[in-house]
Amino acid sequence: NAGVTQTPKFQVLKTGQSMTLQCAQDMNHNSMYWYRQDPGMGLRLIYYSASEGTTDKGEVPNGYNVSRLNKREFSLRLESAAPSQTSVYFCASSASSGGAGGDTQYFGPGTRLTVL
Amino acid sequence: GNSVTQMEGPVTLSEEAFLTINCTYTATGYPSLFWYVQYPGEGLQLLLKATKADDKGSNKGFEATYRKETTSFHLEKGSVQVSDSAVYFCALRALGGNTPLVFGKGTRLSVIA
Repeated sequence: NAGVTQTPKFQVLKTGQSMTLQCAQDMNHNSMYWYRQDPGMGLRLIYYSASEGTTDKGEVPNGYNVSRLNKREFSLRLESAAPSQTSVYFCASSASSGGAGGDTQYFGPGTRLTVL
Repeated sequence: GNSVTQMEGPVTLSEEAFLTINCTYTATGYPSLFWYVQYPGEGLQLLLKATKADDKGSNKGFEATYRKETTSFHLEKGSVQVSDSAVYFCALRALGGNTPLVFGKGTRLSVIA
């Protein structure tokens, strides 16, 4: 099992450009998440998908869109990149997002994005 | 709303020293509590968890006890190693509905030989 994979690992964009971050998991998990990590801010949830066919906003959704393409894949799109979106982006998955509350989230290796 | 507060770092310790990283939370009901670790250049990975009051999570010599009365989940290790240098995140998940993890801001630990 590869777990959670993310592409690309690094990306540099100019202000106004668009791009899509890809995430896939091979653990048959129902729930998937996108976070951004900034110095001193911890991880902040951008969007999540509790199950295939559903998506919900997290703490910082502005400037982003997501697509749950199928059970395995959950992509994050920046339509018009801004310098404030310079960050490290992590995708994660879990068997479910609710229930007993003890489900572990598994993280990908991250995408380091710089917007000039 | 739900939140997690953990001690600010960085924390610098000598090898074999005792480690405590404080974590307190605010949540309704009985959330599940987690510690995640992030090694340099990597994603987060689960270190330990506890799902109910008085539970103790443990892994790789690290321990944390779910204290409902003090709403705390402090991380401890009796003797740290250089390889423990990383960023540690405390997190909670509230019960019910669709409830993603809520993370603290992270504490960077550096262990020197």
